[in-house]
Amino acid sequence: DVKVTQSSRYLVKRTGEKVFLECVQDMDHENMFWYRQDPGLGLRLIYFSYDVKMKEKGDIPEGYSVSREKKERFSLILESASTNQTSMYLCASSPTGTYYEQYFGPGTRLTVT
Amino acid sequence: AQTVTQSQPEMSVQEAETVTLSCTYDTSESDYYLFWYKQPPSRQMILVIRQEAYKQQNATENRFSVNFQKAAKSFSLKISDSQLGDAAMYFCAYWGDKIIFGKGTRLHILP
Repeated sequence: DVKVTQSSRYLVKRTGEKVFLECVQDMDHENMFWYRQDPGLGLRLIYFSYDVKMKEKGDIPEGYSVSREKKERFSLILESASTNQTSMYLCASSPTGTYYEQYFGPGTRLTVT
Repeated sequence: AQTVTQSQPEMSVQEAETVTLSCTYDTSESDYYLFWYKQPPSRQMILVIRQEAYKQQNATENRFSVNFQKAAKSFSLKISDSQLGDAAMYFCAYWGDKIIFGKGTRLHILP
């Protein structure tokens, strides 16, 4: 079974802090994704990566950056956390050569106070 | 721009009955994929079913099937013989040039 893990289920940070959300997958997938999920808005794509050190902006990249130094790990960085970044963050990965079968992590619920 | 619309924020169905969740989308692309994902309470999102736009035959996975109407840009999910474990948030998603998720439908199963 594909396993996608995220470093924390719950996280509370203060406004202005730098925040790192980590995602690890164990199935050698090339594609990895970061979404945020908000009630009434569904999932919105922040960034995705199709290879090590490669990244593409999604629909809402502002205020976020990403890092992919190793194939199995994809990090989402909030350079200076703000209260409007309080949300559920979901990581996903998908098999090599395909863009459709995504496997999701359990999510990190981030609260910025 | 592509859009995905789930017009039913919440639905309820009696256990063992059949329920249909609706999804419409808008795109000018001819080649794309459509998905239904399930997110149970406090659990991970999982893929329920997938449909390739070039395939006319509707996808089926056990009790889950879709009604894909490409011309009408409609992609509904039918759940037959509903079970308590089907209670979840269901998301319709489009993947073409962009990945777009709908806002979700929360499905309640009544015992």
